[in-house]
Amino acid sequence: GAVVSQHPSWVICKSGTSVKIECRSLDFQATTMFWYRQFPKQSLMLMATSNEGSKATYEQGVEKDKFLINHASLTLSTLTVTSAHPEDSSFYICSARRTSRNEQFFGPGTRLTVL
Amino acid sequence: GENVEQHPSTLSVQEGDSAVIKCTYSDSASNYFPWYKQELGKGPQLIIDIRSNVGEKKDQRIAVTLNKTAKHFSLHITETQPEDSAVYFCAARYPPNFNKFYFGSGTKLNVKP
Repeated sequence: GAVVSQHPSWVICKSGTSVKIECRSLDFQATTMFWYRQFPKQSLMLMATSNEGSKATYEQGVEKDKFLINHASLTLSTLTVTSAHPEDSSFYICSARRTSRNEQFFGPGTRLTVL
Repeated sequence: GENVEQHPSTLSVQEGDSAVIKCTYSDSASNYFPWYKQELGKGPQLIIDIRSNVGEKKDQRIAVTLNKTAKHFSLHITETQPEDSAVYFCAARYPPNFNKFYFGSGTKLNVKP
């Protein structure tokens, strides 16, 4: 149990386009999901906390208009990188917290490359 | 907020030896400490966790110890195998925001056959 999927696993796009990444909890309900960004050989940086049915909470320095988060159901959260630029290229990872539990389970990540 | 420091950044051991990774945290209010293993190009996988009311937890070859007074916790891997090679991250959950995990900087473990 506790499987989290992400789609797509990798994406290449042109500058100025928008990219949507999906995060799904496959076998449990997650009222809270998290979006992280990870640069090569670095730790995970929390971008935002996504709560089902309400607005996401963004970490300091993360542009909410650039990284749009929607958590429409207990099993799905999406991250849309709007008007992507090469500096947005990174590994984006989501995690899901089981309702009323401590653990966070991570998805496999999405490699975004912006040309 | 919370600050988690992790050492060492890289660790090489011979197959069969033990490996120990240490983390310290800054806020005594943190109450949950998971460890994750991340293989290249993949998301982190939870391998073991410990709550602040417990001093030690073991799962086969993996164990975690917590010293609340000193505010540090450690991951112990015994009888290491080449497939244990990966990057390991510790984390601390800091209340009052129960949802936020603060991660260490990671340890790259290399187990030599």
